[in-house]
Amino acid sequence: IQMTQSPSLLSASVGDRVTLSCKAGQNINNYLAWYQQKLGEAPKLLIYNANSLQTGIPSRFSGSGSGTDFTLTISSLQPEDVATYFCQQYNSWNTFGAGTKLELK
Amino acid sequence: EVKLLESGGGLVQPGGSMRLSCAASGFTFTDFYMNWIRQPAGKAPEWLGFIRNKANGYTTEYNPSVKGRFTISRDNTQNMLYLQMNTLRAEDTATYYCARGGWELDYWGQGVMVTVSS
Repeated sequence: IQMTQSPSLLSASVGDRVTLSCKAGQNINNYLAWYQQKLGEAPKLLIYNANSLQTGIPSRFSGSGSGTDFTLTISSLQPEDVATYFCQQYNSWNTFGAGTKLELK
Repeated sequence: EVKLLESGGGLVQPGGSMRLSCAASGFTFTDFYMNWIRQPAGKAPEWLGFIRNKANGYTTEYNPSVKGRFTISRDNTQNMLYLQMNTLRAEDTATYYCARGGWELDYWGQGVMVTVSS
């Protein structure tokens, strides 16, 4: 299943509300996760089952969507949120999107 | 505390073999599916396969892109996960991660670099 993320690069200011998009090539029944990867580090799970917040992740991160269209929202961007964000579907094996790189404006 | 620590990476010639290891601690290893994922520099992660937990008979599944060349195994007495890679190609060059989970991947190791080059 192909996963398409947009935009590929996003510039935003501290305090902004940020929205990242992930679209699946077919219905994935909400089996979608979001990961944050900082430079030189392993990916970190943020959201699973499309909208469930992983333990220990700040509440400014939230996930929404269903079927084929999903969104990761950061309600108030912080400097430590600079990273690349990947979505992953696990409805049919596992595939990852190409990522959205989030930078500070 | 859950910890996953990969080892065994390095430089290998095209056509060669390499075995990666992942030492797991801080959880009941046999309860969990374990995965291998790789990520070429600057690119998206690619899931390579998983080995199921005890309840599901420790069976394996692979990404078609590596099926037949890569083999995942586990030693449940030592809490170790392995990835045997054969007939390596330049396009196998990547950072390789082990990760826990049968669906979402909730813990990842720090990764180990594999370079396939002559």
